[in-house]
Amino acid sequence: DADVTQTPRNRITKTGKRIMLECSQTKGHDRMYWYRQDPGLGLRLIYYSFDVKDINKGEISDGYSVSRQAQAKFSLSLESAIPNQTALYFCATSEPNREVGPFFGPGTRLTVL
Amino acid sequence: DQQVKQNSPSLSVQEGRISILNCDYTNSMFDYFLWYKKYPAEGPTFLISISSIKDKNEDGRFTVFLNKSAKHLSLHIVPSQPGDSAVYFCAARGGSNYKLTFGKGTLLTVNP
Repeated sequence: DADVTQTPRNRITKTGKRIMLECSQTKGHDRMYWYRQDPGLGLRLIYYSFDVKDINKGEISDGYSVSRQAQAKFSLSLESAIPNQTALYFCATSEPNREVGPFFGPGTRLTVL
Repeated sequence: DQQVKQNSPSLSVQEGRISILNCDYTNSMFDYFLWYKKYPAEGPTFLISISSIKDKNEDGRFTVFLNKSAKHLSLHIVPSQPGDSAVYFCAARGGSNYKLTFGKGTLLTVNP
């Protein structure tokens, strides 16, 4: 079984719709992250959470919100989707070990028409 | 501004030869550098890291070199195998928040 799962894996939606992307992990890590990947732009951090009561904005948080429902669950919401939010979205988890990078989920491909 | 740069979008090498992927950074506060490998339709996979106090770290076929004075690091893969064909991301972290700043990636193709 995968350590970090994301649902859905693919989603097509329309401008203005509310969308939620979900992430679950079985690694027991306290730290969770949401990243976005656009072609030619690498991965950019949207939000991160170091424990259930801790939520922090990343470099591109505008238009997004998150909820940390439990240690193992971290969801990303687009309140009113717009076409330039079309991208690959990755959830990741980590422990406080600077030598090892975060573990990434398989990604959600989101298309906003 | 782009703090982590991978200036080569793609690299093609022959199986058995060395692959060298390069990365430059601008922020002298970065204290750890990481490499990730990404196959299509999968999430990035952590490969190897190096602390800013070291100049080399080796793990099997993978070696990362860090030149702090030049703000440059490189990933060497020897020998290269067709299964190494993927996009490689360089990433850097600094400070206490463990956030990573990623480069744009380099597509490595290893030809049989």
